Amino acid sequence: EAQVTQNPRYLITVTGKKLTVTCSQNMNHEYMSWYRQDPGLGLRQIYYSMNVEVTDKGDVPEGYKVSRKEKRNFPLILESPSPNQTSLYFCASSLLAKNIQYFGAGTRLSVL
Amino acid sequence: DAKTTQPPSMDCAEGRAANLPCNHSTISGNEYVYWYRQIHSQGPQYIIHGLKNNETNEMASLIITEDRKSSTLILPHATLRDTAVYYCIVSPEYNFNKFYFGSGTKLNVKP
Repeated sequence: EAQVTQNPRYLITVTGKKLTVTCSQNMNHEYMSWYRQDPGLGLRQIYYSMNVEVTDKGDVPEGYKVSRKEKRNFPLILESPSPNQTSLYFCASSLLAKNIQYFGAGTRLSVL
Repeated sequence: DAKTTQPPSMDCAEGRAANLPCNHSTISGNEYVYWYRQIHSQGPQYIIHGLKNNETNEMASLIITEDRKSSTLILPHATLRDTAVYYCIVSPEYNFNKFYFGSGTKLNVKP
């Protein structure tokens, strides 16, 4: 089944404790992206990647890192999480030839 | 970049057609109209997209006005499972970092 898989689905952590949210897709998509969703602010893009080793900032990249060492994986790294990064996070992927994005189920992160 | 305007909420009776409007008066010639929906807090789901011709798939129909300044997403026979937030997005087809979801329309399908 074609899908985008995020892990973990739920995470509670404390300020400053490094964490990684994984994202994997099995559709051989070149494009992958991370969004965060906050009440009243909608979905905002954090980082995106057009292919392996090619990443770029979205609208709200501060406090986040990403890497794209393999085509299928696009982890989101929070080196020193802060409470303002408490949010619902979504990973998405798409073929470059057609901008139809497939989204993961989401990761709900709480930073205390 | 084109912005979209959608009503914040709409109601629809189960089994009836749901017509969701979207205004995009500043749309550029190379920008497509995309529709996604988000059921509760699940990941957004692609519905349909088009450039200037009307489009139909198994989920919905998309009607784009001749001047391309507005469009309507039609769910022909709404069910309770269609209750969701529907997002209208305009974006060039190959410009992945200009994909703004906005606030969307909360569609409430009622029995």
